[in-house]
Amino acid sequence: QVTLKESGPVLVKPTETLTLTCTVSELSLRNVRMGVSWIRQPPGKALEWLGYIFSNDEKSYSTSLKSRLSISKDTSKSQVVLNMTNMDPVDTATYYCARIAVVRGVSFDYWGQGTLVTVSS
Amino acid sequence: EIVLTQSPGTLSLSPGERATLSCRASQSVSSSYLAWYQQKPGQAPRLLIYGASSRATGIPDRFSGSGSGTDFTLTISRLEPEDFAVYYCQHYGSSPIFTFGPGTKVDIK
Repeated sequence: QVTLKESGPVLVKPTETLTLTCTVSELSLRNVRMGVSWIRQPPGKALEWLGYIFSNDEKSYSTSLKSRLSISKDTSKSQVVLNMTNMDPVDTATYYCARIAVVRGVSFDYWGQGTLVTVSS
Repeated sequence: EIVLTQSPGTLSLSPGERATLSCRASQSVSSSYLAWYQQKPGQAPRLLIYGASSRATGIPDRFSGSGSGTDFTLTISRLEPEDFAVYYCQHYGSSPIFTFGPGTKVDIK
């Protein structure tokens, strides 16, 4: 059973840095071409891709958020970590991690349940 | 930069009817990298279609995808009660790397 689960704070203050962790099971971050993406969704709005990391440490970020994002992994813990600096109320959203299925047209075939992060003072 | 546009914004249909959802890209894209997702309230998106026309594991055959170039379609042949949801198309490319459309809501008429 492939599962991903996001964890982290539900509330952050403006200007703070958000740190979210995605714990993956039945997936090895050591596997060749194993990738995990972060995607967010403001309440009532569409999905927005944030960035990804692959098992070979290849990373890429959304152009518009690149200066604020950092994604890393801890292979021994099967975890992928998202850091987003200088949080603002417009960053209030449900944050998802998802597996990148390279063999399925580079789509997202497994998703975490999502975690709602509210930015407010 | 590739932009995905979905239409209509909302589709009001009855169970048993056929649903046709459109996804248009601002420039020609590879159909190999076009996917569709279904999202129900309070749930994560679920992969339905990848490579424009291949159904993901466990997806019923009433869901089908087609298209090429700039125009792609998701068709639900006969709507079941559990199909009322929001549908997103998504593209993988070079810039931006991953793009989602704004979504089409299929609701009960």
